[in-house]
Amino acid sequence: DTGVSQNPRHKITKRGQNVTFRCDPISEHNRLYWYRQTLGQGPEFLTYFQNEAQLEKSRLLSDRFSAERPKGSFSTLEIQRTEQGDSAMYLCASSLDGGARGYTFGSGTRLTVV
Amino acid sequence: DAKTTQPPSMDCAEGRAANLPCNHSTISGNEYVYWYRQIHSQGPQYIIHGLKNNETNEMASLIITEDRKSSTLILPHATLRDTAVYYCIVRVGHNAGNMLTFGGGTRLMVKP
Repeated sequence: DTGVSQNPRHKITKRGQNVTFRCDPISEHNRLYWYRQTLGQGPEFLTYFQNEAQLEKSRLLSDRFSAERPKGSFSTLEIQRTEQGDSAMYLCASSLDGGARGYTFGSGTRLTVV
Repeated sequence: DAKTTQPPSMDCAEGRAANLPCNHSTISGNEYVYWYRQIHSQGPQYIIHGLKNNETNEMASLIITEDRKSSTLILPHATLRDTAVYYCIVRVGHNAGNMLTFGGGTRLMVKP
């Protein structure tokens, strides 16, 4: 297992378009997290899954955002009707249970909305 | 989770020890101290964590004061590849299941 994989690495989209990102966690990890990071700031929590159940969502996750983890393996994060303020790095992380040994993050998907 | 305070930036000479401080004066008894770092254009990387005892692994050492209100991450022999933003995070337990709360971190610049 080579770690957490995120695709695409970069995405440029026009305002108003929908985008979808994919995250493949470490296979034995049952928890999966999505974070957003804007330039010069630390990552901000968006949502997390335990297996296929979405257990917590941040207030940052507006109605335009939806995340799924249909079979408890990979996850997708969709943003509908993108806005320029959605431009950020979207990070995915996974952990075994509560992450006692830390979370493993992917390299992120950088979204630019023009 | 308790709030942490870190200096925004630090410099360190290559080969010297880098000592990164973190204040967490409102930490609770069941909260752990975690350190992550983020190298440019990569996701954060777990470094080390501890509750009240000092910890050491292959990457770093973590020194937690007796009153647990502050801690120091030590990189014993900093290299240029250690240039990164270092985040000190305090969170409840191991199975709280929820998010890490990142602050602004310390931008460490290791110079030749």
